[in-house]
Amino acid sequence: GQNIDQPTEMTATEGAIVQINCTYQTSGFNGLFWYQQHAGEAPTFLSYNVLDGLEEKGRFSSFLSRSKGYSYLLLKELQMKDSASYLCAVMDSNYQLIWGAGTKLIIKP
Amino acid sequence: DTAVSQTPKYLVTQMGNDKSIKCEQNLGHDTMYWYKQDSKKFLKIMFSYNNKELIINETVPNRFSPKSPDKAHLNLHINSLELGDSAVYFCASSPRLADTYNEQFFGPGTRLTVL
Repeated sequence: GQNIDQPTEMTATEGAIVQINCTYQTSGFNGLFWYQQHAGEAPTFLSYNVLDGLEEKGRFSSFLSRSKGYSYLLLKELQMKDSASYLCAVMDSNYQLIWGAGTKLIIKP
Repeated sequence: DTAVSQTPKYLVTQMGNDKSIKCEQNLGHDTMYWYKQDSKKFLKIMFSYNNKELIINETVPNRFSPKSPDKAHLNLHINSLELGDSAVYFCASSPRLADTYNEQFFGPGTRLTVL
C-alpha cells in the first residue's frame, strides 16, 4: 500500500530552527509537496521537490532524497505565526496526491 | 478576487437528510477535486474532475455524487447523511492533471456536522 509518515506533533521555540521529516512509500513518484495548514483553514502550498537536493524559499527549505524515500521541511527563524500543521504529500504514478496526516508544530515564546 | 470558493462554510443537519456543497474556481484550471478531512486530519481524495469528466473515484459510498455543470464548478451532493460523514470537506483545483508540478489551490472548507 501507499504510505506517508510524519511526526504527529513537534514543539519549537520562537527564533529557533525546526526540521519536520517525512518518509514515503508510494507506487511511483512524480514529486513531493509540502503544505501549511493553520487551524480551521485550508492547506496552502509551501514547496515542491522532484529532484534530489535542497530547495530554498526564504525562511523555508525543503529537501528530498528519492533513493531513501525521505524529505524534510526546514523552518528557520521561527515566528509565532508558523504555528500550524505541515502536510507532506507525494504525487504517485497516476498523478494522484497521497497525503500524510500532517505534523502539528507548536511554537513557544 | 481569483480563488476557489465553496459554500456553505458550515453545515449542520440531521442524519438521513440530503445536502449539497457548492464549489467554484475562477483560476481557469482544468482539474477540480473534493477532499474529506476527518478528525485525525487525514486529507482523503474523494473525487477529481478533469474537463468535466470524472477521472478518480475513490472508494467512497455512492451516497456521494459529484456534479460538474462546467469546468469552473464541482458540486458535491450527499444523500442519506450518516454520523460518520461529519468532517471538513475541501474543494481544490489545479492547472492540469497529468503534470508533475501541479500545485493545488484549496477552497476554505465546509465543516459538516451530522446530528
